[in-house]
Amino acid sequence: QVQLVQSGAEVKKPGASVKVSCKASGYTFTSYGISWVRQAPGQGLEWMGWISAYNGNTNYAQKLQGRVTMTTDTSTSTAYMELRSLRSDDTAVYYCARDMRYSSSVPSYYWGQGTLVTVSS
Amino acid sequence: SYVLTQPPSVSVAPGQTARITCGGNNIGSKSVHWYQQKPGQAPVLVVYDDSDRPSGIPERFSGSNSGNTATLTISRVEAGDEADYYCQVWDSQGVFGGGTKLTVL
Repeated sequence: QVQLVQSGAEVKKPGASVKVSCKASGYTFTSYGISWVRQAPGQGLEWMGWISAYNGNTNYAQKLQGRVTMTTDTSTSTAYMELRSLRSDDTAVYYCARDMRYSSSVPSYYWGQGTLVTVSS
Repeated sequence: SYVLTQPPSVSVAPGQTARITCGGNNIGSKSVHWYQQKPGQAPVLVVYDDSDRPSGIPERFSGSNSGNTATLTISRVEAGDEADYYCQVWDSQGVFGGGTKLTVL
C-alpha cells in the first residue's frame, strides 16, 4: 500500500531554515510527482509547489519563490521541502502529497500525516 | 493569480442535500478537484476532474462544473460528512479555494 511518512515536528526561530522529509513506499517513486501543501492554524490549505520525482523539475508558488526548495532522493524514495528565512506566519502543518496520475500534478491522492513547523522566538 | 471563492460555511440537516460552490473566472474550462478534511487529519480526495469519484468514495458525493461555478453535491448527508471541503484547480500552479465548513445540524 502507498504510504508517505513525514519527519517529526520542528520548532525554529525567525530567520532560520527548516527541511521536512517525506519518505514514500508502496509504489515506484519516480513515476509520480510530489506536491507540498501547508495549513496555518485554523486556516485553509495553501499549495506550496510540486516536484517531479522523475526528473526533479519543480514548480513553486509565486509567493514562496526564492525561499523554498524542493528536492528528491530517488535512492531512498524521499522528497524534501526546505523553507528558508522563516517568519512567524510560516507556522503551519506541512503536508506532502502524491499525484493521483502520472504526468499530472493535480489532484493529490495520497497524503503524508503532516509535519507541524512552529516558528517562534 | 487565479482566485477560487467558496462560501465559509454551509449547514444542512441529516438526510438532506448539501451543495458547496466554488467560483472562479471561467472555471468551467478547468478541471476541478474536491477534498474533504476532518479536524486533525490530512485531506481526502472525494471528487476529481469535476465529477469523478476515487475508489471508496460513496456515490452520495458528486460534482459538476460549468461557467463560473463548480459545485460539490453531497446527497443524503450523514453526520460523518461534517468537515471542511476545499476545491482545487491547476492554473500554471495549484490553487485552493478558501474552504467551506459543512455543518450537519
